[in-house]
Amino acid sequence: AQSVTQLGSHVSVSEGALVLLRCNYSSSVPPYLFWYVQYPNQGLQLLLKYTTGATLVKGINGFEAEFKKSETSFHLTKPSAHMSDAAEYFCAVSESGGNEKLTFGTGTRLTIIP
Amino acid sequence: DTGVSQDPRHKITKRGQNVTFRCDPISEHNRLYWYRQTLGQGPEFLTYFQNEAQLEKSRLLSDRFSAERPKGSFSTLEIQRTEQGDSAMYLCASSYRTGSKLFFGSGTQLSVL
Repeated sequence: AQSVTQLGSHVSVSEGALVLLRCNYSSSVPPYLFWYVQYPNQGLQLLLKYTTGATLVKGINGFEAEFKKSETSFHLTKPSAHMSDAAEYFCAVSESGGNEKLTFGTGTRLTIIP
Repeated sequence: DTGVSQDPRHKITKRGQNVTFRCDPISEHNRLYWYRQTLGQGPEFLTYFQNEAQLEKSRLLSDRFSAERPKGSFSTLEIQRTEQGDSAMYLCASSYRTGSKLFFGSGTQLSVL
């Protein structure tokens, strides 16, 4: 069975500071890993996705994530936070290779301090 | 591309009543998914369709829940004899095919009193 753990339900960073959102996964097969962002009153949007190949994945809005098999982690980072990054972020895993049956973490609410 | 549309945005009902939600996926998207999100949790998979065929249902989808996609376009999710535990955000998503990008709607917020 697959599962995702997001450490820290709330993270606050100053504008311009590094953003680091943590995600650890459990999967019985090589996983497919995702980060989604949810802005208020909007649907979830895909930030980035890891399938196979290069372990550093670049996404939209300057975000990137690194797949570390030895640590079973897929942390999300952004070098410099912007006010518009304030949102809820979800890490997700899929064992099927597709989008079916994504298992999501409980989410991390990111607050940007001016 | 008008995005995934869900109706209604909010639904308040009394315990024991039946409710139905509608999802209109992006045109030409063959796959349609339903998820449920409760407060403080991430979305949980409920079921998905390939065209009009319902391919998989989660154990979360009790006998009181039924989903249809009769013509392979829009989908409905019905909950019969609602319970307070059914209160949640019901999310619909669609994709062109397996492995392609998933697009989510804004959801239907259900409150059962």
